[in-house]
Parts: sequence; C-alpha cells; structure tokens
Amino acid sequence: EVQLVESGGGLVQPGGSLRLSCAASGFAFSRSWMTWVRQVPGKGLEWVANINQDGSKIHYVDSVNGRFTISRDNAKNSLYLQMNSLRAEDTALYYCARDDSPGEGGVWYDAFDIWGQGTMVTVSS
Amino acid sequence: AVQMTQSPSSLSASVGDRVTITCRASQGIRNELGWYQQKPGKAPKLLIYAASSLQSGVPSRFSGSGSGTDFTLTISSLQPDDFATYYCLQDYNYPRTFGQGTKVEIE
Repeated sequence: EVQLVESGGGLVQPGGSLRLSCAASGFAFSRSWMTWVRQVPGKGLEWVANINQDGSKIHYVDSVNGRFTISRDNAKNSLYLQMNSLRAEDTALYYCARDDSPGEGGVWYDAFDIWGQGTMVTVSS
Repeated sequence: AVQMTQSPSSLSASVGDRVTITCRASQGIRNELGWYQQKPGKAPKLLIYAASSLQSGVPSRFSGSGSGTDFTLTISSLQPDDFATYYCLQDYNYPRTFGQGTKVEIE
C-alpha cells in the first residue's frame, strides 16, 4: 500500500525542540523529492521545506530557515523534520508529501501526489 | 516570495453548476502552478499540475488553465463530492507559496 505516516508531534514549550518523522511505503522513496507542509487548524496551507532524492538540495520557507532541518534516510524510507527554537506560531498540523516531479518540455513541476495524515505540533507554555 | 491571491475566498453553488476559481501570482510564474482539493479533516489531494495537466485519477470535470500571472481552476459540473476547499500552489521558485484557499459550499 502506498502511504506516508507521520509521527513525533506533540506539546512542547516555546524554545523547545521536536523531531518529526515520516515513514514511506509502497513507492520508490529514494527516487522522490519530499516535502513538509503545515496547516494551522482552520487556516490555509503553508509550504515548509523540501529535499531532493539524495539530500543534496534543500529549501526552506524563510520563517523556519535556521531553526528547522529537513533530512532523509533512504535506507529506512524515512523523512525527518528537526524543529528547534520552536515558537507559538509553529503550532500546526504537519504533513509530509511525496513530490512526483513530473517533467514536461525540460521543466520539472511539483506534484504532491501522496500525503500523510499529518502530525500535530503544539507550542505552548 | 511570490504571493498567490485566490478569488473568491468562498462561494456557494449548486450541484451541476459550473464553478471557476481564480489564482493570481504577484509575478510571472510561467505555467508552474498546481491545484489541490482539501476536505475537512483530510490531507490535500492533487488535482492539477503544470497549470493544466490533470492528475491521474482525477475526474475530467476538473480543468486548469492559465500562464504567467493568471490561472483558473474550473469544475464543469459541480458534484456533491466537490464541496471542499481549493488551493493553488506556485512551484516557480522558492519558497513555494499557496493561495489562501477558496471554500466551495452548498447553496
């Protein structure tokens, strides 16, 4: 079965850390770009970070750059998000997603075709 | 960052209606845009990528168009399963940015 399963969310105090995990199965994880997207309950979606197949290309949204680290372990079919110096505004449901990266005419597009169910992160004292 | 502005923020429609949602980018993004559908309590679902390419398994009543700064998602005949929130996402540059969403409700 094709799936992504996130874990590691929870309640943490401001300034604290959490490490989210995303376990992949049923598709070629090692050949896929992967992405983290978050959503404050009742609000819109926010792209957080992505990583290419071998971890050599990584991008972050400005608000988490320097505090969050995305990584992957292809041997374990797993994606991670290490979150440090957490703030109240990081409170959200965090989704991992596979980017199928279809290419057309020499251009590679994002296409987040597989999503996990999300893991909730709450930053509060 | 490229700002994505969707309109309307919400709309009411009936089954069978033709529905159009617009997404405008703050700068030209070629055709590097996708559309996602999200239902309450569920993860988003990919509908369209590259502005107009229908994702496998998505009903043909969904279509996308546009290039540059102006994009459209059209549902040709709204079905009960289509009541949801729709988001555009630009993948022209980093950071990727979503529109604020359009909630499609039952009239």
